[in-house]
Amino acid sequence: GDSVTQMEGPVTLSEEAFLTINCTYTATGYPSLFWYVQYPGEGLQLLLKATKADDKGSNKGFEATYRKETTSFHLEKGSVQVSDSAVYFCALSNIGGGTSYGKLTFGQGTILTVHP
Amino acid sequence: DGGITQSPKYLFRKEGQNVTLSCEQNLNHDAMYWYRQDPGQGLRLIYYSQIVNDFQKGDIAEGYSVSREKKESFPLTVTSAQKNPTAFYLCASSISHGTGGKYQPQHFGDGTRLSIL
Repeated sequence: GDSVTQMEGPVTLSEEAFLTINCTYTATGYPSLFWYVQYPGEGLQLLLKATKADDKGSNKGFEATYRKETTSFHLEKGSVQVSDSAVYFCALSNIGGGTSYGKLTFGQGTILTVHP
Repeated sequence: DGGITQSPKYLFRKEGQNVTLSCEQNLNHDAMYWYRQDPGQGLRLIYYSQIVNDFQKGDIAEGYSVSREKKESFPLTVTSAQKNPTAFYLCASSISHGTGGKYQPQHFGDGTRLSIL
C-alpha cells in the first residue's frame, strides 16, 4: 500500500536558519503530494501542494518540489521565524485500493521548534 | 466565512459510555472524513463518506460509528467497544470524490480532544 516517511524529529532551529524537512513516499500510479501544518491545539492547515512530477508548491516562504525520480517532496524554507514552530505533516493522495476518492496517507509528522 | 466546526473542543468519557463528536461544514463539500491522532503518530482514517447516506470504514473503524443524514453533518460516535479512545479527533472535508478527488486537498476542523474519566 501507499506510505509516507518523514525525517525524525524534533527539529530545533534558531530564527533565520534554513529549514529542510525530508519526505519520501511509496505509491502506485501518480499521487498528489501535500504538506500540512498543525499549530498547538489546532487542526491541520494546508501549507502547499503539488499534483504532478516537477511541480513546485509554495506558500508563506515554504517550498517543496515533486520529484518522481527520487519519490521525494522535501519541505524547505530559507529563513524560519518563531511563528513557524508547529508540527509539519507530509501526505499523499491517491486513487486506488478499492476506493474512488483521493485517500490521504500521512507521514508521522515532524515537530519544528524555532528559538529567537 | 466557510469552514468546519467541531464540538466540543474537550470531551470526557466514563467507562461503558458512548459519546458523540459533532462535525459540521458549510463549504458545500461532498466528502467528509474522521481521523484519529495519537502523540507522535500521523493521522489514521476512521470513517469517510463520499455522499449523503453513504459511508465507508477506514483503517481503524472498530469501536466507532458514524451517520451522514445531511451533507453538512458527519457525527462520530465513540462506543464503549473502543477500549482506548483517548486521542485527538479530527474531522475533514473535501470538494469531490471520483477521479478528480486525489487533486483536492482536505480541509480540517480544529479537533476534539477525548479523554477517559
